[in-house]
Amino acid sequence: SQQGEEDPQALSIQEGENATMNCSYKTSINNLQWYRQNSGRGLVHLILIRSNEREKHSGRLRVTLDTSKKSSSLLITASRAADTASYFCATDEVNTGFQKLVFGTGTRLLVSP
Amino acid sequence: DTAVSQTPKYLVTQMGNDKSIKCEQNLGHDTMYWYKQDSKKFLKIMFSYNNKELIINETVPNRFSPKSPDKAHLNLHINSLELGDSAVYFCASSQGGPHEQYFGPGTRLTVT
Repeated sequence: SQQGEEDPQALSIQEGENATMNCSYKTSINNLQWYRQNSGRGLVHLILIRSNEREKHSGRLRVTLDTSKKSSSLLITASRAADTASYFCATDEVNTGFQKLVFGTGTRLLVSP
Repeated sequence: DTAVSQTPKYLVTQMGNDKSIKCEQNLGHDTMYWYKQDSKKFLKIMFSYNNKELIINETVPNRFSPKSPDKAHLNLHINSLELGDSAVYFCASSQGGPHEQYFGPGTRLTVT
């Protein structure tokens, strides 16, 4: 399996603005997950979207999934300084074994006050 | 109440040494994982255990040996450490199928 690609690699915005991150992957998936990693910390699960879903919301987060294009996007609305972190997509690939997640390359988000 | 804990948080050692990292989860999950995150933040799975049984073993040198004494613990022993082993190692756990994973705080290993 190949690692997913995320775009952009880095994103710098002002508080209150929206942040959009994109993830592309290469194989068929069962689901796609987004995680956040604050500097020096472990990853925290944000949201999971199944392959038969197209859009999902959780608070200020909105995730879309387009399986025909093998891509997903994460939108954070009304960003806050506390949203500063790296964001990773992770795919649970079909036929690659039991519970194996393949993580993307990550997007570093900087939200300035 | 830490859900997934790892010890030590930092580990500095010389090439050729043997070291262990311990992981414990108190979530009652049946599956545990070891991941390696390199200096470019690439995160890759190394091993996965389900109910103490090894189910995922990626292309990892034999110098790395995981051990799961029970469902709540998954330790990682590394023999003959090399410079390229320097990274942050994360333990994680999950319950059942391809659900969300809970990560520990990581162990930063530096080999000199």
